[in-house]
Amino acid sequence: GNSVTQMEGPVTLSEEAFLTINCTYTATGYPSLFWYVQYPGEGLQLLLKATKADDKGSNKGFEATYRKETTSFHLEKGSVQVSDSAVYFCALSDHTGNQFYFGTGTSLTVIP
Amino acid sequence: GAVVSQHPSWVICKSGTSVKIECRSLDFQATTMFWYRQFPKQSLMLMATSNEGSKATYEQGVEKDKFLINHASLTLSTLTVTSAHPEDSSFYICSARMQGAGNTIYFGEGSWLTVV
Repeated sequence: GNSVTQMEGPVTLSEEAFLTINCTYTATGYPSLFWYVQYPGEGLQLLLKATKADDKGSNKGFEATYRKETTSFHLEKGSVQVSDSAVYFCALSDHTGNQFYFGTGTSLTVIP
Repeated sequence: GAVVSQHPSWVICKSGTSVKIECRSLDFQATTMFWYRQFPKQSLMLMATSNEGSKATYEQGVEKDKFLINHASLTLSTLTVTSAHPEDSSFYICSARMQGAGNTIYFGEGSWLTVV
């Protein structure tokens, strides 16, 4: 079956630190992979996505590469800001796009 | 970007009563909407998929008579938790697929339900 395993939080970093949030998956077929972000009091927003192996998704300084050999989609950012404080969810969807499987979410707090 | 709004954001209800949560796509038509729930420190779990004008498809283990889903229009889906019990307390979140936009899914901000 399909599942997503995500690094547990919470994660606290100083501003300008390097961020990595690990995400691995199991899936049948060829899933698409996503990172969603939820800022306090808001809905989930798509941060980035990759639809096939070796694709790199990037947005707002965040990036993640679809690694089929390691079944991973780790989220990285070279220099985090206070405004990046949020909960980050790794997710995959099956080929229909109907079924989304989410990780447990990782809370990130960036301190000045 | 597209906006999906849920209401209410927070609700407290007494055990045995029913509570309705609305999910609206504010600026697009959604042929398909999805309902999830999340327990503390767990993943979002898909409860059901609803298509406008037809019955919802429930995931295994989800009681359809307890979690009534109605998708009466292209911009509104509702989730009614009937005869709520404390174990139904959870975070419920909906998402909507924009019609004609492939797999683009937009999420609501979620609704916290507490049953006392």
